[in-house]
Amino acid sequence: AQSVTQLDSHVSVSEGTPVLLRCNYSSSYSPSLFWYVQHPNKGLQLLLKYTSAATLVKGINGFEAEFKKSETSFHLTKPSAHMSDAAEYFCVVTRTNTGNQFYFGTGTSLTVIP
Amino acid sequence: DAGVTQSPTHLIKTRGQQVTLRCSPKSGHDTVSWYQQALGQGPQFIFQYYEEEERQRGNFPDRFSGHQFPNYSSELNVNALLLGDSALYLCASSYSTGRNSPLHFGNGTRLTVT
Repeated sequence: AQSVTQLDSHVSVSEGTPVLLRCNYSSSYSPSLFWYVQHPNKGLQLLLKYTSAATLVKGINGFEAEFKKSETSFHLTKPSAHMSDAAEYFCVVTRTNTGNQFYFGTGTSLTVIP
Repeated sequence: DAGVTQSPTHLIKTRGQQVTLRCSPKSGHDTVSWYQQALGQGPQFIFQYYEEEERQRGNFPDRFSGHQFPNYSSELNVNALLLGDSALYLCASSYSTGRNSPLHFGNGTRLTVT
């Protein structure tokens, strides 16, 4: 079975400081992992994806994530937060060989303080 | 290139009624998935359609049904609405499964059941 745990329900950072959103995964198979962002009253936008290629994945808007198999983690980072980064972030896992069903975490709400 | 479009954007229904939500996938995509997102929660998988057939289903009752048309567009039907069905319903499209294709989401339909 696949699942993800987002370790923080809320994260608050000051503008210009680093962002770290934590995600641990559980998968019986080789996983594919994704991070999505959701702004208020909007759908979800793909930030980045890991599909068993390079373990350090770069995404849009300066975000990146590192796949660490030994720690079963896929944490999302950004060197410098911008006000527009304030949103809900979801970590997602699926099975690499089928990709049929995506399993979402419960989300992390990011607040950026000016 | 149009992304995923959903209609209507908002809907208010009464308990016991039936509702139909519509989705047009991103151009070139042939697979449509539906998700329910309750307030403050991550999206929950309802089902996925490919080649006009339901390929996989999440833990939702039979009151939730769907359809995919030859042009890949899709409908989600919910019968005998309950107050607990109030949520944001998200449609996501992708390429055929097994290719680790990320999901592309629409902005959702906000359903309120009174």
